Amino acid sequence: DTAVSQTPKYLVTQMGNDKSIKCEQNLGHDTMYWYKQDSKKFLKIMFSYNNKELIINETVPNRFSPKSPDKAHLNLHINSLELGDSAVYFCASSQDLRGVQPQHFGDGTRLSIL
Amino acid sequence: AQSVTQPDIHITVSEGASLELRCNYSYGATPYLFWYVQSPGQGLQLLLKYFSGDTLVQGIKGFEAEFKRSQSSFNLRKPSVHWSDAAEYFCAVGGSNDYKLSFGAGTTVTVRA
Repeated sequence: DTAVSQTPKYLVTQMGNDKSIKCEQNLGHDTMYWYKQDSKKFLKIMFSYNNKELIINETVPNRFSPKSPDKAHLNLHINSLELGDSAVYFCASSQDLRGVQPQHFGDGTRLSIL
Repeated sequence: AQSVTQPDIHITVSEGASLELRCNYSYGATPYLFWYVQSPGQGLQLLLKYFSGDTLVQGIKGFEAEFKRSQSSFNLRKPSVHWSDAAEYFCAVGGSNDYKLSFGAGTTVTVRA
């Protein structure tokens, strides 16, 4: 049973398109996250939600909009995709807000903008 | 603000040799420290964590890490490396009031036969 699952695994699309990435966790965790990993493997937090409430909203273009329909799901919608959005996007979940407990990661969504 | 430094960008080690990956952190209180491994094309997997207590922590896959408060370090070690240990390794510190887990830039480990 996959703990944190993301779909799709690969996403290849044209500049200017709108796309969504879905994330679901079956761990019963209250907190979920989106990270962006660039080509140098650096991990940058984008958003976190706790029980459907937005907690962290980093300096991310407002073309990125997270949505949490319930505490087991956190989706990421991206409008007007740009070349610089090409990266691997990871969803993660945790039992706690403050980073005291480990985070569990999905396998990532590899987004390529043509 | 908390931060993590992994001084080694890339380490190459022979199969069967020992491995040590360095991690230095900056944090005002007692840190919550983690090591994660990322195999090619995969997400991050937790290797081990330190919250309190014994400063030598055992993890999965034969890894261990030692917390040294005086040196602000949390180095990861493995006595004998296997080819499957080739991966990216991330040190992270959490527990701050900004709710973020701060990651180091990662160390790439290459294992040669």
